[in-house]
Amino acid sequence: AQSVTQPDIHITVSEGASLELRCNYSYGATPYLFWYVQSPGQGLQLLLKYFSGDTLVQGIKGFEAEFKRSQSSFNLRKPSVHWSDAAEYFCAVGDPRGGATNKLIFGTGTLLAVQP
Amino acid sequence: EAQVTQNPRYLITVTGKKLTVTCSQNMNHEYMSWYRQDPGLGLRQIYYSMNVEVTDKGDVPEGYKVSRKEKRNFPLILESPSPNQTSLYFCASSTALTDTQYFGPGTRLTVL
Repeated sequence: AQSVTQPDIHITVSEGASLELRCNYSYGATPYLFWYVQSPGQGLQLLLKYFSGDTLVQGIKGFEAEFKRSQSSFNLRKPSVHWSDAAEYFCAVGDPRGGATNKLIFGTGTLLAVQP
Repeated sequence: EAQVTQNPRYLITVTGKKLTVTCSQNMNHEYMSWYRQDPGLGLRQIYYSMNVEVTDKGDVPEGYKVSRKEKRNFPLILESPSPNQTSLYFCASSTALTDTQYFGPGTRLTVL
């Protein structure tokens, strides 16, 4: 069965520092991979997604993620964090074949705090 | 503007009092889903719909009902709410269930 793990429940970084949020998945083949951001009081917004091709994916707001098949990971990165990046971040996986697993599986989220 | 709307945004109710949370999308998406978000559990799918009059259970369907009579609307019905249904609910639409989900702003439900 598919599963997604976000090992870090809460991360604090200083404004201007680099950021890496971890996401590991369990799946028999290459799944569809997503990162979403949820700002306080808001719905989820797609940051980026990976379906196939180039393993380094660029998203909105200066974020990028790298798919590493050997590590079953899809970590989210940003070179310089801004105070407005404080939010909760969710990794999600989907089965490209659809069918019985016709849904996205979400991780439990990583809450990012940004210090001045 | 492409969007998913939900109403109400906040709701406090009592055990057993039937309620409906509406969801509407203007993107002509075939697929719509309901999720609940609870601390430490991420988002879990309640129900989904692949088209008008086609719905199916997600991971946590107990205590919920849905209907899809029109393509744009996908209401969530709690016939007899209980305190364990206190949660943050999101509606989402998409062109495929395993593709990008477009989320509504959420409905925070408290059942006393």
